[in-house]
Amino acid sequence: EAGVAQSPRYKIIEKRQSVAFWCNPISGHATLYWYQQILGQGPKLLIQFQNNGVVDDSQLPKDRFSAERLKGVDSTLKIQPAKLEDSAVYLCASRPWTGGAKTQYFGPGTRLLVL
Amino acid sequence: GIQVEQSPPDLILQEGANSTLRCNFSDSVNNLQWFHQNPWGQLINLFYIPSGTKQNGRLSATTVATERYSLLYISSSQTTDSGVYFCAGSYNQGGKLIFGQGTELSVKP
Repeated sequence: EAGVAQSPRYKIIEKRQSVAFWCNPISGHATLYWYQQILGQGPKLLIQFQNNGVVDDSQLPKDRFSAERLKGVDSTLKIQPAKLEDSAVYLCASRPWTGGAKTQYFGPGTRLLVL
Repeated sequence: GIQVEQSPPDLILQEGANSTLRCNFSDSVNNLQWFHQNPWGQLINLFYIPSGTKQNGRLSATTVATERYSLLYISSSQTTDSGVYFCAGSYNQGGKLIFGQGTELSVKP
């Protein structure tokens, strides 16, 4: 079974530029999460999708961050314009909505450096 | 919101030693998971353990849900065990995970 895929793996941009990250969850997983992990801290949820609907975006800085999951599969997270404090690893995770263990599986992450 | 506290924050071991990592929750959680974050940043699932005890090779975990803590045991540690260990739990059906600050483990040869 293929895992959660993310791209790009690394990105370096200057502040005020825009950037987009892509995630492809495990096949059949209805729930998709984007987490932000700042160096030295645990991941923190930015947004959660159930199929193509938003379940929780309470921690998403909506003035600069946006995310979509148009067909209930792939998702894109965008930052525009980026700030220095957005430098972090952006992790995508997925899990089944119903049945069995509610284990979340994480992708390899996208490491963003804002200069 | 729920607070997750992990201890110790750092741990240095000689290869072959055993260790216990602890995770305390400020409130009841479900969907409790332990992860190992390797030096490349990948979060690897170790255990899904909302209650009870599980073992996988040299690793085992115990969660006492009524007392709001979980323990991760590493026996006969190897250098490849180095990295950061996170516990995380969720408190609602949606499954949003609240992570601790992690325990950074370094195993010396």
